[in-house]
Amino acid sequence: EAGVVQSPRYKIIEKKQPVAFWCNPISGHNTLYWYRQNLGQGPELLIRYENEEAVDDSQLPKDRFSAERLKGVDSTLKIQPAELGDSAVYLCASSLVATNEKLFFGSGTQLSVL
Amino acid sequence: GQQLNQSPQSMFIQEGEDVSMNCTSSSIFNTWLWYKQDPGEGPVLLIALYKAGELTSNGRLTAQFGITRKDSFLNISASIPSDVGIYFCAGRNYGGSQGNLIFGKGTKLSVKP
Repeated sequence: EAGVVQSPRYKIIEKKQPVAFWCNPISGHNTLYWYRQNLGQGPELLIRYENEEAVDDSQLPKDRFSAERLKGVDSTLKIQPAELGDSAVYLCASSLVATNEKLFFGSGTQLSVL
Repeated sequence: GQQLNQSPQSMFIQEGEDVSMNCTSSSIFNTWLWYKQDPGEGPVLLIALYKAGELTSNGRLTAQFGITRKDSFLNISASIPSDVGIYFCAGRNYGGSQGNLIFGKGTKLSVKP
């Protein structure tokens, strides 16, 4: 069974440019998470989806970040425009249901903003 | 907001040695989890703990849910080179943050053959 798939693995952009990350969760997992991991830190939640509904986006910087999970399966996270401080690893994770603590993570997208 | 403090920040040990690390919280959690992250990969779940005082093993790994519910411990026995990585604790409660996982900053483990 395939795990959580993310693309691209790496992205280098100049500040003020837009960027998008894609995630395909494990088949059958209703809950999808986007985390940001800064260097030397643990992952921090940006947004959590239950099916296609964003049930917790309180930590998402909504002035420049947006996310969607249109059919309740794969998801896209976008930053527009990117800032230098957005450089980080963006991790996607999924779980069967929201109350299941067993999150399965993808390999992440490492973003460098120059 | 809630914070998790992990210690030590890093460890450099000899192969075969035992390892202990811990995680403390300013508030109570209902669930504690331990993850390992290899370079360039996402975290992988090692052990999940659901009850205060619970002691759970996974091979050479043993973790405990502290009785105060504000801490957890992870031990690795007879370390081997593939144990190298960053170990994260994560806690969860079902209160105001809607039950989201909160991660510590990690303990970086290096093993010398």
